[in-house]
Parts: sequence; structure tokens; C-alpha cells
Amino acid sequence: GNSVTQMEGPVTLSEEAFLTINCTYTATGYPSLFWYVQYPGEGLQLLLKATKADDKGSNKGFEATYRKETTSFHLEKGSVQVSDSAVYFCALSGGTSYGKLTFGQGTILTVHP
Amino acid sequence: EAGVAQSPRYKIIEKRQSVAFWCNPISGHATLYWYQQILGQGPKLLIQFQNNGVVDDSQLPKDRFSAERLKGVDSTLKIQPAKLEDSAVYLCASSSPGRNTEAFFGQGTRLTVV
Repeated sequence: GNSVTQMEGPVTLSEEAFLTINCTYTATGYPSLFWYVQYPGEGLQLLLKATKADDKGSNKGFEATYRKETTSFHLEKGSVQVSDSAVYFCALSGGTSYGKLTFGQGTILTVHP
Repeated sequence: EAGVAQSPRYKIIEKRQSVAFWCNPISGHATLYWYQQILGQGPKLLIQFQNNGVVDDSQLPKDRFSAERLKGVDSTLKIQPAKLEDSAVYLCASSSPGRNTEAFFGQGTRLTVV
């Protein structure tokens, strides 16, 4: 079946540091890949997505590239801010329903001033 | 546009009691999902509805969990009887009809079973 593995967390960074959160997946066929973010006290929000190999999703300075050869979808940001502190989830969808998701375990990011 | 509404936000019950959660999806969204998020884990899909029909309930523990979506709009998820391991956040999400449409999540209901 489908599965998603995220890097062990939590991650603590200083403001303006570079961020990488690793994500690898196992799936049959050609899944679509997502990063969701959960800010304190809020619901899950879609951060970015990529629907085919070599696609790059980007939003709010975050980027992730769909690498089929390494089955990875690592999240990166060049300069994090305190407001980026949240829990980040990597997820995949194996079909055409983007709501039917398999999530990773989540990575807690804390950014200090 | 109003988001996905869930209630209650928090619920504490004793084991073996029953509990129900309510979800009102975004207007016009035909597809509705219930997820269970145990502390420290990612959300896990419990059930998916398309209008008022069940599309996938393979991960729903049917001996104690039930869900319905009357008239293809609001949905209720029930647990009876609750166990300690049911302590989790229960998330509702909805998406509009068609292929490749984004799912929008509610804030969830945090259930604590003591």
C-alpha cells in the first residue's frame, strides 16, 4: 500500500536559516504529492502540490520537487521566519481524489528570532 | 467563503461512553472525508462520502465507529463504545466535485477518553 515517511523531528532553527524537511514515499502508479501545514490552533492547509514527476510546487517561499527516481518530495525554504513555526505534513494521493490522502507523521518546526 | 465547520472543538468522555461529532462541509462540496489524527502521527482516513453514499470505509473500525451523511450535506461520526485508544483529533474535510480538486480541512474535534 501507499506510505509516506518524513524526517524525524522536531526541527528548531533561527530566523533566516535554510530549511529542509525530508519526505520519501512508497506508492504504486503515479501519485500526486502534497505538503500541508498546520499552524497552532488552526486546521490543516494545503501549502503546495506537485502532480507529476519533475514538477516543482511552490508557495510562500517554500518549494518541493517531485523526484520519481528517488521517490522523494523534500520541502525547502531559503530563509525561514518566526511565523513559519508550525507542523508540516507530507502526503500523497494515489487517485484523482485529492482529499483521499496518505500522510506522513508530521514535522514540528520551531523558528526562534 | 465559509470553511468546513466542526463541532464540538473539544470533548472529554469516559471509556465505554458514546460520542458524536458533527461536520458541515463547504457549500457545494460533494465529497466529504473523516480523518483520525492520533497525537504524534499524521491523519488517517476513516471514511469518504460522495454525496450521501460511502465511497471508502475500509479503515473505519465498524464494530464501534459509524458515520452518516444525511441529504449529502452535513455528516456525523459516532463512536460507541469509546476506548482509550480513540483519543485523537477527528478531522473533517471536503472537496468540490470533479478530478484533482483540493480538500479543505476543518479545525477538528479533540477527543479525550479517560
